[in-house]
Amino acid sequence: GAGVSQTPSNKVTEKGKYVELRCDPISGHTALYWYRQSLGQGPEFLIYFQGTGAADDSGLPNDRFFAVRPEGSVSTLKIQRTERGDSAVYLCASSLTGTGTGEQFFGPGTRLTVL
Amino acid sequence: KQEVTQIPAALSVPEGENLVLNCSFTDSAIYNLQWFRQDPGKGLTSLLLIQSSQREQTSGRLNASLDKSSGRSTLYIAASQPGDSATYLCAVEGNTPLVFGKGTRLSVIA
Repeated sequence: GAGVSQTPSNKVTEKGKYVELRCDPISGHTALYWYRQSLGQGPEFLIYFQGTGAADDSGLPNDRFFAVRPEGSVSTLKIQRTERGDSAVYLCASSLTGTGTGEQFFGPGTRLTVL
Repeated sequence: KQEVTQIPAALSVPEGENLVLNCSFTDSAIYNLQWFRQDPGKGLTSLLLIQSSQREQTSGRLNASLDKSSGRSTLYIAASQPGDSATYLCAVEGNTPLVFGKGTRLSVIA
């Protein structure tokens, strides 16, 4: 079956603009995660959804970042008033159940560049 | 706050060697530990998942061990091949879904 997919694969935007990044999890996976990876670093947790609700959003760096998963499948990460420091690869992962219970499968990521 | 450290940061070995990658974590209250592989410019591929109650997992030429009480895990790669060249990331799941180390960049020379 299909793995986790993310669109776009690359996004270049100007400082101050709004961007949306999309994640399609593996079909049937109830848990969905967003991470951010800067160059030379491991991924850092942003937010975790169980179904439609955000179970843990403690990793979101500030209120410019927001994510939704309205129907419990596809998720969108939204970044307002982008800053150059937001440039990174944004990774999405899904797992069959939830935290503590299973393996996470990652998508290929969206590389965001803020000029 | 959980912190994960991976040693060494980079490793270069000739083809055919057996090798060990190390991972340590500061908080032993974890649900599981996962090893990933990341190729340049790509996402993460899950290699092995070890639940907190387990001591090791094996998949092909890979063997991962977990000593939760001492906060350590190792990834053993047998008979390394040039295709094993990648960055290997260790991550633990506890109060935060996954906390990652910075990875070990492995080069296997033919």
